[in-house]
Order: sequence, then C-alpha cells, then structure tokens
Amino acid sequence: AQKVTQAQTEISVVEKEDVTLDCVYETRDTTYYLFWYKQPPSGELVFLIRRNSFDEQNEISGRYSWNFQKSTSSFNFTITASQVVDSAVYFCALLSGGYNKLIFGAGTRLAVHP
Amino acid sequence: ETGVTQTPRHLVMGMTNKKSLKCEQHLGHNAMYWYKQSAKKPLELMFVYSLEERVENNSVPSRFSPECPNSSHLFLHLHTLQPEDSALYLCASSQDGTQYFGPGTRLLVL
Repeated sequence: AQKVTQAQTEISVVEKEDVTLDCVYETRDTTYYLFWYKQPPSGELVFLIRRNSFDEQNEISGRYSWNFQKSTSSFNFTITASQVVDSAVYFCALLSGGYNKLIFGAGTRLAVHP
Repeated sequence: ETGVTQTPRHLVMGMTNKKSLKCEQHLGHNAMYWYKQSAKKPLELMFVYSLEERVENNSVPSRFSPECPNSSHLFLHLHTLQPEDSALYLCASSQDGTQYFGPGTRLLVL
C-alpha cells in the first residue's frame, strides 16, 4: 500500500528557531518520487521540491533543506531561522502508479510567531 | 512556477443552484486534476484527466460532473449540492508527475 504519514499535526515556533517537519512514506515500488508542498493561508499549494528514489543526496535551497533516507523511508524538511512568512500548512506527497497520482500526507501546520 | 488559474475564487450557492468551476492551465501539461479540501480533512482526489480522458473517479457523488474539453481546460459542474460540499476546490496540472496547483475556489453551500 502507498501511504504518507506526517505525524506532527501542528508545530509552533518562535521566529529564528530551526524547525524540522517529518515525513514517513510507504511504498513497494522501487522507483518513486517524493514531494513537499507549502499551502499558505491564501490556499494555493506551492511546489517546493521533488526527489526521485535513486537520489538520496540532501538538498539545500536557501533556508530550506531536505533529508531523504531510504533506510528509514523518511523525507524530512528543515527550515533554518524560521520567519513569520513560513507560517503555512506543509504537505509531503508520494508519486504512485500511473497517471501521476499523488498520495498526500495529512499536512503539518506550522505557526511561526514573532 | 504557477500557470494554473481558477475561477471563480469564491462562490456561494444554494442547494438548488447549478454552477460551474473553471480551471485553465498555461503550462502545456497533459494531465489535470480536481481535489477537494475540507476543513480538518486531508486533500481528497476527485478526478484525474489524462490526455482529455477521465482516468480516475474516486467515488465522487454524481452531483459533481467534470468536463475536460481540451488539454488546457477543466470544468467541474455542480448541481444540487449539500452543505457538506462546502470546501476549497483545487485544480492541478502535470506533465511529468509534479503537480502545479491553482489558487482554488472556496465554495460555500447554503
């Protein structure tokens, strides 16, 4: 079965703190893709990153970094020096099967306070 | 990268009304999707169109009727909705698996 688990429902931090959002996935496929999306209060899901199952290199983009570990089936997302504008719901997703169907986690609501 | 537009952004309708949601993608993608997002619930995939053919219908009630006249446009026709259908309806498109979303239509059914 394909499944994505985001165990953290809500996280609250103070500005400038580092925060890690956890994502654990399940799949029997050997080739798969993992994604992170951000949903600010406006509602639109914004694509952040895509990784394929053969590339376990960590990635850094500005204050954002991603840690992909196949051994633990995890794809965690860290925001360094968080800012109020980072407040949003963050979704982890797994690409499964044909027709590009994404399996989404339940999302983690991040609140960054000044 | 955005390039998916949705209209209207907000919609209030009575249970006896008929309305349509429109999605347009300017990215040259070959697949389009409708999602429903209710408060406190996960994203629910409703319909998938690939090359203008419906390839997935996730047990969506018949009061929701999708239409994909071409690869750039996707509609969701609504009729005799229920208050529990109030939600954010999101459209997305993709070419290689990465889905790009529109801003959504916030629907309130009275």
